[in-house]
Amino acid sequence: DQQVKQNSPSLSVQEGRISILNCDYTNSMFDYFLWYKKYPAEGPTFLISISSIKDKNEDGRFTVFLNKSAKHLSLHIVPSQPGDSAVYFCAAPPTPGTASKLTFGTGTRLQVTL
Amino acid sequence: NAGVTQTPKFRVLKTGQSMTLLCAQDMNHEYMYWYRQDPGMGLRLIHYSVGEGTTAKGEVPDGYNVSRLKKQNFLLGLESAAPSQTSVYFCASSLRGTAYLSDGYTFGSGTRLTVV
Repeated sequence: DQQVKQNSPSLSVQEGRISILNCDYTNSMFDYFLWYKKYPAEGPTFLISISSIKDKNEDGRFTVFLNKSAKHLSLHIVPSQPGDSAVYFCAAPPTPGTASKLTFGTGTRLQVTL
Repeated sequence: NAGVTQTPKFRVLKTGQSMTLLCAQDMNHEYMYWYRQDPGMGLRLIHYSVGEGTTAKGEVPDGYNVSRLKKQNFLLGLESAAPSQTSVYFCASSLRGTAYLSDGYTFGSGTRLTVV
C-alpha cells in the first residue's frame, strides 16, 4: 500500500511559466513532508519541506502548499528554469514524531523547455 | 567534505554471483539507509541502521544483507544476485532519526547494478 503517491510521472513546462507538481498521501497521521530533487546520475537532494501545522512554505522560487483535508500537497516552481529539469520526489516520515525512515513517492519528471 | 560516497558506481553481475556495495559518510551521522530506485516504483527502503552495530529491515529486504561495523560505513551485500535486483542503489545518511529540516537525508550518487 503506497502511502505517498505522485500520479503524474512526467510534466513539461515552458521556461518562465509555473510548474506544479502534485503529491497525495493516505495517512492522515503524517506530520511532515519533504520534496527532493534528483538529476540524472546523481543522488536526490533535499529541496523544501513543510510541517503539517502550516499550509504553505516558501523558499525563493519554490513554494509547497499543504491541503490536509484533501491529503494533498503541491510544489510550485515560479518561474520555471531549464535547470529545474529533474525528477521530483515527495516524501513523508511514516511514523509521526520518530521519522527515522522516509517513504517516497514514485517521482515526477519535470522537463522545462525553452 | 565528501558527504556520502558510494562504491562502485557501476557493476554488471552474472546471476548467482555475490557482491558488496560500500557506503561511506564523513558527517558523523548516526542513521544510514539503503534504497533502490526502479522505474515507476520510486525509492524503496531495503535496510537501514540507527547506529553503529545495528541494522533493521526496510520495505524490500529479501535477497540483501547489511552490516554497520563502523559508524561511517554501511555495507549492502547481495549473496546470490538475481535479475530482479537490477536497479540503481542509493545510500543515504541522516544526523538523527528525524528527517526534519536540516536533518534531512544526504544521499550518495548511486550505484547502477545490472544482473544478467
